[in-house]
Amino acid sequence: EVQLVQSGAEVKKPGESLKISCKGSGYTFSNYWIGWVRQMPGKGLEWMGITNPHDSETRYSPSFQGQVTISADKSISTVYLQWSSLKASDTAMYYCARLYSSWYPFDCWGQGTLVTVSS
Amino acid sequence: QSALAQPPSASGSPGQSVTISCTGTSSDVGGYNYVSWYQQHPGKAPKLMIYEVSKRPSGVPDRFSGSKSGNTASLTVSGLQVEDEADYYCSSYAGSNTVFGGGTKLTVL
Repeated sequence: EVQLVQSGAEVKKPGESLKISCKGSGYTFSNYWIGWVRQMPGKGLEWMGITNPHDSETRYSPSFQGQVTISADKSISTVYLQWSSLKASDTAMYYCARLYSSWYPFDCWGQGTLVTVSS
Repeated sequence: QSALAQPPSASGSPGQSVTISCTGTSSDVGGYNYVSWYQQHPGKAPKLMIYEVSKRPSGVPDRFSGSKSGNTASLTVSGLQVEDEADYYCSSYAGSNTVFGGGTKLTVL
């Protein structure tokens, strides 16, 4: 069974750093890209960026370029999303999802990681 | 890049059909046949319902269909069922990245 399992909920203070993870199983990890999608409370889906674990090619939405870093460790079938300095406006649910290539749809989704940033 | 435009809400009675539109530009919807639709129930992760404008993944009922004309894509749900009540999001490849629509809340009356 194809699965993406995300790390647990986080509560952080503004200015803190954070790295959340997404571990794939049930398929050949390096054959698929992994992307991240933000959903702020009560709002819609926002495409943040995608990475190819095979060669680490990464693409970002202009809205998120420079705000977050997406990386992968194919040796442990895991992709990461990280922030160097969180803001309250980063409070959201973050989903990882799999896609076969950069123009393909997300065909399998993680369960989501809730990030809460509050002083 | 702006989000694709979707109506905030749509509704229909059980058994009826409803169509949700998704309007973009020639740089996204109109430029590529890579439009997808996702269904999201409250508190759940999204689920892929339609890809490449009109293709259905295995397991998605054929009550769900997609189409595109120019810069506007559409999702039609025929024979509405109570379990179809959810939020629906379109997305389109836009060259170097992908953009989502703002979402449509479908209510089954």
